[in-house]
Amino acid sequence: AQSVTQLGSHVSVSEGALVLLRCNYSSSVPPYLFWYVQYPNQGLQLLLKYTSAATLVKGINGFEAEFKKSETSFHLTKPSAHMSDAAEYFCAVSVHDYKLSFGAGTTVTVRA
Amino acid sequence: GAVVSQHPSWVICKSGTSVKIECRSLDFQATTMFWYRQFPKQSLMLMATSNEGSKATYEQGVEKDKFLINHASLTLSTLTVTSAHPEDSSFYICSAIPQAGTTYEQYFGPGTRLTVT
Repeated sequence: AQSVTQLGSHVSVSEGALVLLRCNYSSSVPPYLFWYVQYPNQGLQLLLKYTSAATLVKGINGFEAEFKKSETSFHLTKPSAHMSDAAEYFCAVSVHDYKLSFGAGTTVTVRA
Repeated sequence: GAVVSQHPSWVICKSGTSVKIECRSLDFQATTMFWYRQFPKQSLMLMATSNEGSKATYEQGVEKDKFLINHASLTLSTLTVTSAHPEDSSFYICSAIPQAGTTYEQYFGPGTRLTVT
């Protein structure tokens, strides 16, 4: 079965600083990997996805992630944090059955 | 495109009653929809997979007689929480996969907050 581990339940960054959210996956077959953002009392919005094409994936709102098979990682980055980036972020993995397995989530706070 | 709605957005019900939550794909047809449950400050846990015209597939540990799922059309799936109890209070989120989807992407609804008193 596939799974993801998000390192760090809470990340605090200054406005304008780099945002780095870590995600490691476990899968016996080539995975599909996703990053989602969730604002309070809302559903999930897809930031970006890896589906076996380019290993560096660019998403919305300036986010990007790099798939590294050797490290089984799919870390999410944004060069310059904005106050609106404060939210909950989930990494998720899927194989060929469409089912998503989510990480525990990382709460991002942005300091002015 | 690819919008999923849920109704109601929040509901309060008394213990012992049943409540129905609707999940609709507004601009696409979905043969498969998923239902998730999210407790405060926690991740999403898959409850069941809903396939149009067939019985839902429940994840281990989910009571199928308590959480009734019906996927009667290509744009509508419903989750009925029967004989609700306070421990059923949670945020319920559905997602849908377009019938013609090829990228394994799910589109999520905005969620339904259920409070059982």
